[in-house]
Amino acid sequence: GAGVSQTPSNKVTEKGKYVELRCDPISGHTALYWYRQSLGQGPEFLIYFQGTGAADDSGLPNDRFFAVRPEGSVSTLKIQRTERGDSAVYLCASSSRVAGVGEQYFGPGTRLTVT
Amino acid sequence: KQEVTQIPAALSVPEGENLVLNCSFTDSAIYNLQWFRQDPGKGLTSLLLIQSSQREQTSGRLNASLDKSSGRSTLYIAASQPGDSATYLCAPWGQGGKLIFGQGTELSVKP
Repeated sequence: GAGVSQTPSNKVTEKGKYVELRCDPISGHTALYWYRQSLGQGPEFLIYFQGTGAADDSGLPNDRFFAVRPEGSVSTLKIQRTERGDSAVYLCASSSRVAGVGEQYFGPGTRLTVT
Repeated sequence: KQEVTQIPAALSVPEGENLVLNCSFTDSAIYNLQWFRQDPGKGLTSLLLIQSSQREQTSGRLNASLDKSSGRSTLYIAASQPGDSATYLCAPWGQGGKLIFGQGTELSVKP
């Protein structure tokens, strides 16, 4: 079956612009996670959805970052007033079970470059 | 705050060697622990998931152990192959299932 997909695969934007990154989880997976990976580092947790609601957004770095999952499937990560420090690979993962039990499956990521 | 350390940061071995990658974490109150591999420019591929009640998991040439009380996990790779070259990431699960990653071990297996 289809895995987790993310679009776009690459995004180049100018400092100060707004961007949206999309994640399509594996069909039927109720949990969805966003992570950010800077060059040479392991991924860092941003936000986690269980169904439509954000169960834990403690990893969002500031209020320029926001994510939604209105129908409990596709999720969009939104970044306002982008800064060069936002440049990273944004990874999405989904899981089929209640948090703490289901294995997470990752998408290929979106590489964001802010110039 | 959970902190994860992976040692060594990089490793280069000849083909056929058995090797051990180490992961330590500061907060032993974890739910599960997952090992991933990441190829350059790619996403993460799950290798093994060790649930909190387990002490090890095996898949083919890979074996991962978990000792929650000491805050350690090891990934053992038997008879390494050039195709095993990648970065290996360890990730204990925090509350809600969020993964806390180390910086990874970059493995190079020379033919």
